[in-house]
Amino acid sequence: DADVTQTPRNRITKTGKRIMLECSQTKGHDRMYWYRQDPGLGLRLIYYSFDVKDINKGEISDGYSVSRQAQAKFSLSLESAIPNQTALYFCATSDGGDYEQYFGPGTRLTVT
Amino acid sequence: AQKVTQAQTEISVVEKEDVTLDCVYETRDTTYYLFWYKQPPSGELVFLIRRNSFDEQNEISGRYSWNFQKSTSSFNFTITASQVVDSAVYFCALVDSNYQLIWGAGTKLIIKP
Repeated sequence: DADVTQTPRNRITKTGKRIMLECSQTKGHDRMYWYRQDPGLGLRLIYYSFDVKDINKGEISDGYSVSRQAQAKFSLSLESAIPNQTALYFCATSDGGDYEQYFGPGTRLTVT
Repeated sequence: AQKVTQAQTEISVVEKEDVTLDCVYETRDTTYYLFWYKQPPSGELVFLIRRNSFDEQNEISGRYSWNFQKSTSSFNFTITASQVVDSAVYFCALVDSNYQLIWGAGTKLIIKP
């Protein structure tokens, strides 16, 4: 089984809808991250969490919120989806701030 | 400001050629970490290497090698005798003092048979 899983893998939603993307990990890492990937822009950090009680905004947090339900679970919500939030979303975990991050398979989100 | 630049948007070579992917970074930190990740057409992100700022030794792993030069703020990646399976987007990244990964825009590598 994969160490980092994301659900759903693909989602099409309409403008204005609330949507939640979920991430679970079995690596036992404290640190978890949410990124979005747009063509030609690499990955941009949305939110990150160093432990259950520590959540921080990343580069592009506007329009997003997160919840760290447990060490192993980190959810990303789009409160009111808009078309420019169409992107590939990745969850990642790491064992420390300067260690490599392990990524989930990604969620392809389309907002129409 | 922390920044990672991968100036090569796309590179296309014929199989068995050697190819170098460039990565130039900017940081004010004296201690930092650099990474390379691979994203094959299937879309997942695969960790390749982690290098800290105090270790300037070149690294070789099979057909892959990395050249880290602090004097030029570069961390270049070379694939020797490229293969079609090496076709992917390759990302260079820097961990800043807030432990956030700063990503380059990626280089798309196309290996033609």
